Amino acid sequence: LAKTTQPISMDSYEGQEVNITCSHNNIATNDYITWYQQFPSQGPRFIIQGYKTKVTNEVASLFIPADRKSSTLSLPRVSLSDTAVYYCLVGYNTDKLIFGTGTRLQVFP
Amino acid sequence: ETGVTQSPTHLIKTRGQQVTLRCSSQSGHNTVSWYQQALGQGPQFIFQYYREEENGRGNFPPRFSGLQFPNYSSELNVNALELDDSALYLCASSLVGQDGTDTQYFGPGTRLTVL
Repeated sequence: LAKTTQPISMDSYEGQEVNITCSHNNIATNDYITWYQQFPSQGPRFIIQGYKTKVTNEVASLFIPADRKSSTLSLPRVSLSDTAVYYCLVGYNTDKLIFGTGTRLQVFP
Repeated sequence: ETGVTQSPTHLIKTRGQQVTLRCSSQSGHNTVSWYQQALGQGPQFIFQYYREEENGRGNFPPRFSGLQFPNYSSELNVNALELDDSALYLCASSLVGQDGTDTQYFGPGTRLTVL
């Protein structure tokens, strides 16, 4: 299973765009990239999933370069409620998910 | 909301006791995974059930066991509780999509405290 590396923490201000990059150098051909958001004492919430290029939904965008060895989660115009831990995971099908320590995002007013 | 529910919300037990945690998966999902999340850490995979059979296990001792029922709901049982078992226990359900992807949707968790 591919190992991921992300920054431990990031700070931002309301209204700014936040980009969190994840490294996954040994991603396998069939692996997908998935991001989760987690608030304290709650289950992780699915944000976005992609395989290559760019994926966009109503809450975020996911940018994946051609070599797929990294990915960037982009949160447009963050608000205080986006303060949470963000996890990047790489895997395929029914593979068990390997969570790292995630990126703790703090949004200030 | 994901449609995945867990019970109870909170639980307090003492060392040596046994505990059963329950999970109802999202409608249409046939796979359930359980995770343990200690304070300040990411969730750690315990095991997964697919159509009532164990389909993978993480690095947890045999006193962690599980069941999946015909309606795809699931139980996590922990025997001989230890202080280090205090954690948030998360259940996630999934269904493999036509493109082969498997997105897991998590429940709210059960907070277990072992005294």
